Amino acid sequence: GENVEQHPSTLSVQEGDSAVIKCTYSDSASNYFPWYKQELGKRPQLIIDIRSNVGEKKDQRIAVTLNKTAKHFSLHITETQPEDSAVYFCAAMNYGGSQGNLIFGKGTKLSVKP
Amino acid sequence: SAVISQKPSRDICQRGTSLTIQCQVDSQVTMMFWYRQQPGQSLTLIATANQGSEATYESGFVIDKFPISRPNLTFSTLTVSNMSPEDSSIYLCSVTTGEGTEAFFGQGTRLTVV
Repeated sequence: GENVEQHPSTLSVQEGDSAVIKCTYSDSASNYFPWYKQELGKRPQLIIDIRSNVGEKKDQRIAVTLNKTAKHFSLHITETQPEDSAVYFCAAMNYGGSQGNLIFGKGTKLSVKP
Repeated sequence: SAVISQKPSRDICQRGTSLTIQCQVDSQVTMMFWYRQQPGQSLTLIATANQGSEATYESGFVIDKFPISRPNLTFSTLTVSNMSPEDSSIYLCSVTTGEGTEAFFGQGTRLTVV
């Protein structure tokens, strides 16, 4: 089955700096890669996603890149703000596969210091 | 999008008892899943709730311990049976409305077994 590795487990940056979180996946059949943000005590919420037919996607300060050959994808947050502080999870899915479920990485706790 | 109502939001239960968690969605959805999230950890898939048939369980999770129902396209229940303190965790319902689309989460049920 799919296995998703995520690094780093914790990340501390100064406000205004950039943050990068990296994930690798094992199943070459995976074709959908979302990123979720989870604030303390809240449910995970989607912040950006990318499909395997696209190499990069950007939404304001957030971007995701995908390298299918290397089986890794990354989340980039620019001009970080204190409200970006949260736990971020990457995930992978093979939609069209028998399960269609998300397999999550272990998470990255991002702290943005004012 | 999908709005999920999950209840109870929290409960404290005696060991050896069972708790049933309900997940109600405001629209018909294709896939429903149950996840477990232990404190400070990632989301681990328990099972896929299949409408009108037995749920599909992930490795390490069995039907006798986590029986699941899904009588229609908008409702599912997860029961945590014969609870022990190790079952203390947050349980989350998740749905998707199509293949390779955003997964939405319920607010979670925080279970403490004493």
